[in-house]
Amino acid sequence: GEDVEQSLFLSVREGDSSVINCTYTDSSSTYLYWYKQEPGAGLQLLTYIFSNMDMKQDQRLTVLLNKKDKHLSLRIADTQTGDSAIYFCAERASRGSYIPTFGRGTSLIVHP
Amino acid sequence: DAGITQSPRHKVTETGTPVTLRCHQTENHRYMYWYRQDPGHGLRLIHYSYGVKDTDKGEVSDGYSVSRSKTEDFLLTLESATSSQTSVYFCATGPTYEQYFGPGTRLTVT
Repeated sequence: GEDVEQSLFLSVREGDSSVINCTYTDSSSTYLYWYKQEPGAGLQLLTYIFSNMDMKQDQRLTVLLNKKDKHLSLRIADTQTGDSAIYFCAERASRGSYIPTFGRGTSLIVHP
Repeated sequence: DAGITQSPRHKVTETGTPVTLRCHQTENHRYMYWYRQDPGHGLRLIHYSYGVKDTDKGEVSDGYSVSRSKTEDFLLTLESATSSQTSVYFCATGPTYEQYFGPGTRLTVT
């Protein structure tokens, strides 16, 4: 079945780059998403990438997709304390259900 | 972000009591979803809707029912609340392949 895996924690220093990784198993994935959840809030859609793209950049965020290895990453440049949150990777297959499958989330901790 | 509200935002109820949570959207999105979020389990889909009066079950639908009589409203009902249903409940909506989440409802069943 479909599965999305992420590491649970990442700790970085303020000003450094953060790279959050995600692997998925469904080779038919068409859309891959990154969400951010701050404490006490809902998930905020940060960005998404279509499977026919290798990279997408949006200000401090860079998404890289390696379809061969089924690996997705989110790079946050110049990480700030306000970036501390849980980041969820999700994927949606091109056939069958349109329901995304979510990873368990990576807790990003930014130290001053 | 999509205009999505959830009510109530917090609720404490007793075991055996029926509870209804409401999700309201102003974006005219076709799809609506109910998730629960629990430590160690991540997000789990309860029910979803792909149109007015069109709903289907998710992976953890036992003990829950839903209704969607208007595009903008999606109701989640716990017929007889149990302590295992203590959780944070999120509604999400989307036009097609995107999902936008509401702020959540924290439900405690004592």
